[in-house]
Amino acid sequence: QVQLVESGGGVVQPGRSLRLSCAASGFDFNTYGMHWVRRAPGKGLEWVAAIWYDGINKYYSESVKGRFTISRDNSNNTLYLQMNSLRAEDTAVYYCARDPQSYCASDCYFHSWGQGILVTVSS
Amino acid sequence: SYVLTQPPSVSVAPGKTASITCEGKNIGSKSVHWYQQKPGQAPVLVTYYDSVRPSGIPERFSGSNSENTATLTISRVEAGDEADYYCQVWDSRSDYVFGTGTYVTVL
Repeated sequence: QVQLVESGGGVVQPGRSLRLSCAASGFDFNTYGMHWVRRAPGKGLEWVAAIWYDGINKYYSESVKGRFTISRDNSNNTLYLQMNSLRAEDTAVYYCARDPQSYCASDCYFHSWGQGILVTVSS
Repeated sequence: SYVLTQPPSVSVAPGKTASITCEGKNIGSKSVHWYQQKPGQAPVLVTYYDSVRPSGIPERFSGSNSENTATLTISRVEAGDEADYYCQVWDSRSDYVFGTGTYVTVL
């Protein structure tokens, strides 16, 4: 079955960088779009970024655009999120999620989710 | 940006029916998806395209969508259904939008 395992979280100071990874298994990774979604403490879910199956098309929420970069390595079945210029408001559990398709043009949703990894931005 | 509003909490007795609403402007023209998230666990897709259940999701979970309100209905509620529930749509201007979330308490 689909397995998504996030890693790379931890405590980081404001303004610093962190890179999250998501190891995927149980499906043909190179044929599905992938996402990062986060949940801040006491808050709801927030979509962060998406990347389509071929790694060419990438999309970001306004709250992270220009600071975060999503990428993927289809040869190693791994999704990444490079987070730069981190802020206190980026503190959250970050989830890796699989799209139900290679890419989505409308009516998009999240098919499967990882367990999440905590990122804490604090001095 | 597109906004989805849910009640913060819903309480229901075991064996009864819980209805969770998701309000948005003309949401009936969009496809609505619902997720369940138990404390400390990953979200799980419970319905998509308004009312389709993924494999493994009990028939007790059903969805509907009309005009300005989408609804997730949980029939014959069990203790294991206690969780946060989020609705979600895709909007051409706002991308992926989640509702504010509803915590279902089983009394």
